[in-house]
Amino acid sequence: AQKITQTQPGMFVQEKEAVTLDCTYDTSDPSYGLFWYKQPSSGEMIFLIYQGSYDQQNATEGRYSLNFQKARKSANLVISASQLGDSAMYFCAMRETGGSYIPTFGRGTSLIVHP
Amino acid sequence: GAGVSQTPSNKVTEKGKYVELRCDPISGHTALYWYRQSLGQGPEFLIYFQGTGAADDSGLPNDRFFAVRPEGSVSTLKIQRTERGDSAVYLCASSPSRITGELFFGEGSRLTVL
Repeated sequence: AQKITQTQPGMFVQEKEAVTLDCTYDTSDPSYGLFWYKQPSSGEMIFLIYQGSYDQQNATEGRYSLNFQKARKSANLVISASQLGDSAMYFCAMRETGGSYIPTFGRGTSLIVHP
Repeated sequence: GAGVSQTPSNKVTEKGKYVELRCDPISGHTALYWYRQSLGQGPEFLIYFQGTGAADDSGLPNDRFFAVRPEGSVSTLKIQRTERGDSAVYLCASSPSRITGELFFGEGSRLTVL
């Protein structure tokens, strides 16, 4: 069963605008972590942001924020003030800390930032 | 270097040959993961090491795939009798924290089986 679903294969945004990349997840484990990674065309996956299932506040890291809606099992990534260098593939991942500790990834969303 | 290092970056081989892919994690990271990424897909888990032992090898697709990490640092992924379907980018990642579990990836080894 697919644990991470990213329904947007591709997204386009104008430079300096904000964009939201969707991610929904499926787990019965009450303890888990959610991650977002960026993969530029060069290929190296880069860790962006982490949200724990028990965290009360939404995670933020610079221009990245995670809109965590636990009841909806949703963990959307919001990128504010998009830059041309944000063009990349973005992957959502989840790790069930009550179980195997193995992060599983979604299929990714391609983001293109237009000037 | 300070990051995860993977060699070779590119490997072209013939069907049936044996291949080794090497990963040198970030110093001090005890957790090491191997993933495989096919075109247009997210990374697919293969095997996870905590220290020297394989803590979870449930993602290895069959017994042609094997990985070792004899001294708890460098890891080698070994593929015997390669098949065209093994063609993919093999990603290695290490993690500093078992609590949060963020992964630091290498640039990957692109394997092409002709």
